[in-house]
Amino acid sequence: GIQVEQSPPDLILQEGANSTLRCNFSDSVNNLQWFHQNPWGQLINLFYIPSGTKQNGRLSATTVATERYSLLYISSSQTTDSGVYFCAAGNNNDMRFGAGTRLTVKP
Amino acid sequence: NAGVTQTPKFRVLKTGQSMTLLCAQDMNHEYMYWYRQDPGMGLRLIHYSVGEGTTAKGEVPDGYNVSRLKKQNFLLGLESAAPSQTSVYFCATVGGASLHFGNGTRLTVT
Repeated sequence: GIQVEQSPPDLILQEGANSTLRCNFSDSVNNLQWFHQNPWGQLINLFYIPSGTKQNGRLSATTVATERYSLLYISSSQTTDSGVYFCAAGNNNDMRFGAGTRLTVKP
Repeated sequence: NAGVTQTPKFRVLKTGQSMTLLCAQDMNHEYMYWYRQDPGMGLRLIHYSVGEGTTAKGEVPDGYNVSRLKKQNFLLGLESAAPSQTSVYFCATVGGASLHFGNGTRLTVT
């Protein structure tokens, strides 16, 4: 199956800072998604982005499918952005998850 | 519109006991999935279904069985629970190619 690697594993930011999270995947995919797992354990879908760039408020994502990576940008971070960010890549029947990036935003 | 609902939210089992986790969705989605999440790891796919009456194995299917008798429900069964099955279990559906998750079931096997 596809291997998905995320970096960095941990990230600590001061409120207001910007950050970039990376997701590398080992093979061609037709589906790539980013999720936020909040401190209560809920998984929230942020982006469906198999290629190209999307923006949603302070968050944006870019996937370069030919080079097998995706980036999640968080601007002007807030304490509510804390949690674990997961990337999942594959196809609808076999989505593989990375181990996540744990983000802590300090006030 | 509840989305994806998982029951129960928490459960403690003794080794060798059996149980069934229920996932119910009201979005009329065809695809449904069961994942498990262990500390420090991402989610791993246990079983999935592409429609009523169908099931298929995922990445880590051993020790689990599933059934999809009705389109809106996807059941995950543990016939003889083992401590290695202590985990948080998530159900998900696919709508518009995006995964939508339930809130999870925390299972502890002692």
